Amino acid sequence: DQQVKQNSPSLSVQEGRISILNCDYTNSMFDYFLWYKKYPAEGPTFLISISSIKDKNEDGRFTVFLNKSAKHLSLHIVPSQPGDSAVYFCAASALHAGNMLTFGGGTRLMVKP
Amino acid sequence: NAGVMQNPRHLVRRRGQEARLRCSPMKGHSHVYWYRQLPEEGLKFMVYLQKENIIDESGMPKERFSAEFPKEGPSILRIQQVVRGDSAAYFCASSPRRESYEQYFGPGTRLTVT
Repeated sequence: DQQVKQNSPSLSVQEGRISILNCDYTNSMFDYFLWYKKYPAEGPTFLISISSIKDKNEDGRFTVFLNKSAKHLSLHIVPSQPGDSAVYFCAASALHAGNMLTFGGGTRLMVKP
Repeated sequence: NAGVMQNPRHLVRRRGQEARLRCSPMKGHSHVYWYRQLPEEGLKFMVYLQKENIIDESGMPKERFSAEFPKEGPSILRIQQVVRGDSAAYFCASSPRRESYEQYFGPGTRLTVT
């Protein structure tokens, strides 16, 4: 029972272009969504988040879009840089459930110079 | 560096031994979460603790696993009589308040059971 899914295990883009990472969820009780970036042998690093009352949040090169009716969110990185190459995890949370994070399976992004 | 600290970073145990993983949250954080990542999978929630209290252990296996967060000292995740299937990366995260959504992760402990 995967409540958060990232259907693309990997994504390859050219440096300077846009990277779009997608995430779908099934639980309508989720009210907060986060993206984490993870390098090998390190812990996840918080990247950007969005509340369910918003449909967009932007921070520098990173923008997260939320479509509640479709239960879909996406992370846009523009322009992509080789240092962005990592595994990206989408996570969802519900305040009433203690804020434990439910993670997707991750998408490995490779940005080619 | 006031980040989340975990030790050891790597732990090798033989089947049947005990594994003890430690987590010191960020300064000022009193909420600790443990997650497990199996190879090629996402992180899975195990347990949520506050100082001296287990708030939610719905993700913990019913046997052999236990967690604590004492008044003084780090949070401990204990795995008794380890089996090969326990081999994974175990991550600890902390947050300052129950209402705080963002969790900050430590570098993880990679447990290998031989």
